[in-house]
Amino acid sequence: SAVISQKPSRDICQRGTSLTIQCQVDSQVTMMFWYRQQPGQSLTLIATANQGSEATYESGFVIDKFPISRPNLTFSTLTVSNMSPEDSSIYLCSVRQASGNTIYFGEGSWLTVV
Amino acid sequence: SQKIEQNSEALNIQEGKTATLTCNYTNYSPAYLQWYRQDPGRGPVFLLLIRENEKEKRKERLKVTFDTTLKQSLFHITASQPADSATYLCALDPIYSGGYNKLIFGAGTRLAVHP
Repeated sequence: SAVISQKPSRDICQRGTSLTIQCQVDSQVTMMFWYRQQPGQSLTLIATANQGSEATYESGFVIDKFPISRPNLTFSTLTVSNMSPEDSSIYLCSVRQASGNTIYFGEGSWLTVV
Repeated sequence: SQKIEQNSEALNIQEGKTATLTCNYTNYSPAYLQWYRQDPGRGPVFLLLIRENEKEKRKERLKVTFDTTLKQSLFHITASQPADSATYLCALDPIYSGGYNKLIFGAGTRLAVHP
């Protein structure tokens, strides 16, 4: 298994500002993903964070709004830019290890935009 | 279009009974399917994975079945306990996902086990 730490766990943000969420894994992993879970909804994949190259975004998500970095095999960041109340959500980092098909999740970062 | 469907209505059962949750999918040909548990305000936790060539998988009080003809998975919790109350998510990894090996999730079914 993998232990995933996300920071911040919660934050209240002002409209128009940006916030960067950090994801640290206790072991090297091949795949890292960022999901969003809006209140009462299921998880929606934002993007796959690729080590050393640009992230791969899903339909409806763009780099300007959700820039992602992945400088190494254990760390990634997701920035939510120019936030609006519609961005209030839980943002979840998840990883898949090379040896298995299970995806492990961090505890999430709960953002409220006011 | 591709869809994963779980019963959106909460499932309420009495302690000790067997809970059965359903996951149906369309227009996917997954190599395997996974079930996760999510408690309020927490990230999902992996429970079980079942492959397309497996009909059934068990882990303690949990049992998962996978019918690729019906395009359906059933998730059973036997001898349910109030501590089993949570939202249960079905997820699949499409074979043809562009090589990203990403997981697509259903909306989840909330289970409430009453004493």
